[in-house]
Amino acid sequence: AQSVTQPDIHITVSEGASLELRCNYSYGATPYLFWYVQSPGQGLQLLLKYFSGDTLVQGIKGFEAEFKRSQSSFNLRKPSVHWSDAAEYFCAVTGAGSYQLTFGKGTKLSVIP
Amino acid sequence: EAGVAQSPRYKIIEKRQSVAFWCNPISGHATLYWYQQILGQGPKLLIQFQNNGVVDDSQLPKDRFSAERLKGVDSTLKIQPAKLEDSAVYLCASSLGQGLAKNIQYFGAGTRLSVL
Repeated sequence: AQSVTQPDIHITVSEGASLELRCNYSYGATPYLFWYVQSPGQGLQLLLKYFSGDTLVQGIKGFEAEFKRSQSSFNLRKPSVHWSDAAEYFCAVTGAGSYQLTFGKGTKLSVIP
Repeated sequence: EAGVAQSPRYKIIEKRQSVAFWCNPISGHATLYWYQQILGQGPKLLIQFQNNGVVDDSQLPKDRFSAERLKGVDSTLKIQPAKLEDSAVYLCASSLGQGLAKNIQYFGAGTRLSVL
C-alpha cells in the first residue's frame, strides 16, 4: 500500500529564513510525487510535481523539491520565506499502477514577521 | 479558465439529517474526485469518476454516502443520514484524464460540513 509521512505537524520560521519541509513516502514501484499548498478556507494548489528525470524540481512561488530514491524522500525547500507562505503543505504520492493520490497529514507553516 | 466550483461553502446540520454537495469541474476534465478532509488530516479519496462511470469507490461508506455524475459533468455527493464523525471538509477535484501527463488534479475550495 502507498503511504506518505510528514513528520513535522507544525513549523514556525522567521520571514526571510530558509525552509525545508520533510516528506517520506512508501510506494512499491516508481513514484510520482507532488507538493500541494492549502491556505485557510481554500482548496489545494499544486506547487510542484516529480515524474522522472532531474531529481531537483522547481515549482511556483520559489519552491523547489528534491527526490531522493535511496531515502524515499521528497523534501520541499525555499531559500527565503515570505509571510504569505504561511499555510498548510501536503505531500502526495501516486504512480503508474495506481492513479490514486495518497496524501500525508500535512505540515502547518507559520511565519513570524 | 474557471476553476473547480463547489457549493455550498459551509453547511451545518444535525446528526441523522441529510446533506448534499455539488461540484462543477473544470471544463473538459473527464475525471472527477471527491475527497474527505478531516481536521488535522490530509484529504482521503472517497470516489473517483471517469466521465459518468465510477472508477474507484472502495473508500466510500456506501451505507450512508452516495455520489453521482450524471452526463459526465457536474457531480453531487450526498450523506444520509449524517453522523458526528462526518464533520469535515469535502473537496472536489478534477483532472483531464487518467494518463500520467494529464493526471494533475485541480481542487475546488471545498465545503465545510459541521454535524451537531
